[in-house]
This record gives sequence, C-alpha cells and structure tokens, in this order.
Amino acid sequence: DIQMTQSPSSLSASVGDRVTITCRASQGISNNLAWYQQKPGEIPKLLIYSASTLQSGVPSRFTGSGSGTDFTLTISSLQPEDVATYYCQKYGSAPITFGQGTRLEIK
Amino acid sequence: QVQLVQSGAEVKKPGASVKISCKASGFTFTDYYMNWVRQAPGQGLEWMGLINLSNGGISYAQQLQGRVTMIRDPSATTVYMELSSLRSDDTAVYYCARGRGWSWGDNWGQGTLVTVSS
Repeated sequence: DIQMTQSPSSLSASVGDRVTITCRASQGISNNLAWYQQKPGEIPKLLIYSASTLQSGVPSRFTGSGSGTDFTLTISSLQPEDVATYYCQKYGSAPITFGQGTRLEIK
Repeated sequence: QVQLVQSGAEVKKPGASVKISCKASGFTFTDYYMNWVRQAPGQGLEWMGLINLSNGGISYAQQLQGRVTMIRDPSATTVYMELSSLRSDDTAVYYCARGRGWSWGDNWGQGTLVTVSS
C-alpha cells in the first residue's frame, strides 16, 4: 500500500505568515492528491484536488502543488480562521489513504 | 444543494453490530460513489471503503474486510454502512463522503458518533 507522510505534524505561525505543509507519497501517485481542512469540532472540508485545483469557494490564499511523490499545501498569508488540522489524501486506486494530519496553530 | 444526512449517534456493546445510514439529496445519486471514513477520538482520518452508487460495486479497506458491509438503495437515495463484531477501538465518528469515482470527497455528511462500551 502507498503510505502518505505529512510534515510537520504540527506548527505554529503568526497571522500573515506564509505557511507550507508537505505531503510525501511512498510511491508515485501522479497528481491524485487532495487536501482537506478540519477545524476543531467540524467535518473535513475539501480545499484542493488534483494536487493543485482549488475547490469552489476556497480562498485563493490556499494553493497546492506537486506531482509524483512530493506535494505541498501553501497558505500565502495565514488568517486566524485557518486554525485547523490539514490532511492530504491519495486517491485513484485502493486503498485510499490519508496523511496523519498537520495541526496548525496561531502564535 | 448537495446534502448528506447521517443517522444519529449509537452506543453499542462489544461484539454487537451497528448500521449507519447516509441520506443523499441535491444530486443525481447514481452519478457518484460514496466513501466511508472514520475518525477515532483525537485521531486522524481512516478510509473504510467505497461503493459505486450506480452498480453497487464496492471496495473495502483491507483491515476491515469481513466486518464491514456497504450497500446502497437508489430508490431511497440512501447508503448504509454496517460494521460488525464491534470492539472498543471502533469508537469513532463515522462519515459518508461523496466522490466521483475513485476520487476526492467533495461533500461530507455531518458524522455519526459510534461509542462501543460495555
């Protein structure tokens, strides 16, 4: 099975900072990668699919990039409402797998 | 608008089974797949499997094979997930999530908390 490894597992940044979260696949997955945001007490929300396509309604400060095995989620200017745990997800074939999550906090 | 409405919270004893429903509306049911994803308290997301809402084709996560069953009822636009031989580590919030094929989940149900306790 393909494993998805996120880094860091947690991070703390200041409002306005540029934040980058990395997701690495144990084998190449082309661009079959999605990113989700889960705020405390809420359901997961799709941010990005196909590695770099922004889901409708998601603020443009979120961008995704990468292909193959290495992927990044970048928040260009961190906002207080971005406090959440972020998950990458590999899809396209069985099994679908999630990264372990990255908890993002505000300094 | 797309809605996925799940059944309510459940408390079960070890060894019992639980069946959760996910009622879909606002889209053409048979154009999509439905994933089931669970999240243990304070933990990450775990994919359980998916079902093709058109033909009922299914794929289950290997670690749940033999204990999980997913079915769909197109006439009721509802999907069901049953998990048997419950253990304490099955305590989690269970989500249904719509996808187009083997893809991302663009809409999620509100979640159903299943507590397994003696």
